[in-house]
Amino acid sequence: QQQVKQSPQSLIVQKGGISIINCAYENTAFDYFPWYQQFPGKGPALLIAIRPDVSEKKEGRFTISFNKSAKQFSLHIMDSQPGDSATYFCAAIVAGNTPLVFGKGTRLSVIA
Amino acid sequence: DAGVTQSPTHLIKTRGQQVTLRCSPKSGHDTVSWYQQALGQGPQFIFQYYEEEERQRGNFPDRFSGHQFPNYSSELNVNALLLGDSALYLCASSSGTLEETQYFGPGTRLLVL
Repeated sequence: QQQVKQSPQSLIVQKGGISIINCAYENTAFDYFPWYQQFPGKGPALLIAIRPDVSEKKEGRFTISFNKSAKQFSLHIMDSQPGDSATYFCAAIVAGNTPLVFGKGTRLSVIA
Repeated sequence: DAGVTQSPTHLIKTRGQQVTLRCSPKSGHDTVSWYQQALGQGPQFIFQYYEEEERQRGNFPDRFSGHQFPNYSSELNVNALLLGDSALYLCASSSGTLEETQYFGPGTRLLVL
């Protein structure tokens, strides 16, 4: 049973546009929600993360929006660039209790 | 500051063989987790080592085993390889006090023929 559902599976965005990736979770005990970026042939790199006590976190062009009541969170990439083309994974964890649980990933392509 | 390192980068084995993958954690980290990432999928948790002991284990058979050394480096061993074991094997390190913040290595690509 998948605990973190991620959508869409793939996404094509024009350069300068906004990329939006959504995730939904089931386990209300999750207390940390990171996003990872993975380029082909590389390991996932921690991009940004949020805890459920805040509704939004912004780092540069990357923003996480968190809706605790809906058990959903999303990644917004503003002013998307071709260099952002990668696979993005959302994840969730109960610190000290469960391992990281990943979504299935979203392949983002930013075209000029 | 060296990040998480893994060796080898690529490996080709045949069915039934055994394989050992190695990981050195990021400086200052004492916890190592191993993940299997099949093509087009998200990483799946195999197990986690802390203080040289397996602390958590995912839904993987006993053919998958591991070890952590006093210097916090770790090995993943897979016995009796199956075609389905072909995947990218990722090592992630974290500090025992901030275990939710995990940093991944580049992975070892294993191909079983």
